[in-house]
Amino acid sequence: EAGVAQSPRYKIIEKRQSVAFWCNPISGHATLYWYQQILGQGPKLLIQFQNNGVVDDSQLPKDRFSAERLKGVDSTLKIQPAKLEDSAVYLCASTSTGTSGGAGSYEQYFGPGTRLTVT
Amino acid sequence: AQSVTQLGSHVSVSEGALVLLRCNYSSSVPPYLFWYVQYPNQGLQLLLKYTSAATLVKGINGFEAEFKKSETSFHLTKPSAHMSDAAEYFCAVRGGGTSYGKLTFGQGTILTVHP
Repeated sequence: EAGVAQSPRYKIIEKRQSVAFWCNPISGHATLYWYQQILGQGPKLLIQFQNNGVVDDSQLPKDRFSAERLKGVDSTLKIQPAKLEDSAVYLCASTSTGTSGGAGSYEQYFGPGTRLTVT
Repeated sequence: AQSVTQLGSHVSVSEGALVLLRCNYSSSVPPYLFWYVQYPNQGLQLLLKYTSAATLVKGINGFEAEFKKSETSFHLTKPSAHMSDAAEYFCAVRGGGTSYGKLTFGQGTILTVHP
């Protein structure tokens, strides 16, 4: 089966510009996650969707970040305006279960990520 | 709340030597624990997971980890390192409550394998 797809793979922008990332999860996966991975750190969850609803966005800087998953399939993450500290890899992941279910179904499958550099 | 601490941001071993990557966790609920590997410019790949069944978990590529509740640890081991094991490794704990499914990651350990 096809994996999680992300685009673009790399993006360089100047501070105060806007940028958008796209993610297409594995077919049939109801839950989608966006993580931010700053160099030298582990990934940090930004937002979690269950179908097209938000489950957790407590770590999303809502003054500049937004995300949507309109049809419960693919998703976009936007930053406007970007700051230097937003330079990171943005990882998308998906899993086949929602907020309940057997523990074995909680494997998250990760895409290759988008590396953002803000200058 | 959950947290993960990986002891040692860099570990270096010789090819054929034992690999030991340390992970300690904190969780207010019974944890589910994971080890992921990340190769340069790639996403994370699951190595193994603990889901409250056997405490000794075997994963891909010869890796295994042992869940020790009394020590709140989930260390990753491999008896004999291979050059292809060089990568960054992340330990993660799965949260509960409204963030069911959310993973909290450690800061990562970079494994270097010398010939």
